[in-house]
Amino acid sequence: GAVVSQHPSWVICKSGTSVKIECRSLDFQATTMFWYRQFPKQSLMLMATSNEGSKATYEQGVEKDKFLINHASLTLSTLTVTSAHPEDSSFYICSASPLPGVHNSPLHFGNGTRLTVT
Amino acid sequence: DAKTTQPTSMDCAEGRAANLPCNHSTISGNEYVYWYRQIHSQGPQYIIHGLKNNETNEMASLIITEDRKSSTLILPHATLRDTAVYYCIMNAGGTSYGKLTFGQGTILTVHP
Repeated sequence: GAVVSQHPSWVICKSGTSVKIECRSLDFQATTMFWYRQFPKQSLMLMATSNEGSKATYEQGVEKDKFLINHASLTLSTLTVTSAHPEDSSFYICSASPLPGVHNSPLHFGNGTRLTVT
Repeated sequence: DAKTTQPTSMDCAEGRAANLPCNHSTISGNEYVYWYRQIHSQGPQYIIHGLKNNETNEMASLIITEDRKSSTLILPHATLRDTAVYYCIMNAGGTSYGKLTFGQGTILTVHP
């Protein structure tokens, strides 16, 4: 089945530094990938939609200059948290589908990246 | 996407069937019912989805009422590894595909 891989699975960084998270579709091409965020004891919230070859679209309240998304190829999207602060500490999860928009091709999620900013 | 209501938590004995309900009384005609689950500190895992007919796969069965205002996810023989948060999500696909609205879900605890 469709596999989505994230790297790293966890990262600790100092306040003010930037962190890059990679999301790869291992056995299919993904023109669109989705980035979610989950704070402790809360549910997942969609942050942005990553589009191969074009700009990402961000959900309301998500700073596009802080969360840089690059969808450089059909199998890779990256999320860079710039100038990270402790309040950015969260669980970041990406998802993709082999056939986006097709109900018989549901979203598959990566295993997430736990970011801790000290 | 339509709002869903799920019980906060449920318990189930190992080997027994786990029946997880979901109310979605405001579902629109083009919205599918999706079920995902999230095991602690992992990404969500797709379980099953349906529009109006009952569905079954290797993981679970999905029973959707005739009026589509509620559904039940059935794990026929729950194991300890099925302990997770289960999310019932409505999605119409199209331009909203991938933009899933996760509620608080149901915490299912399977005990020996």
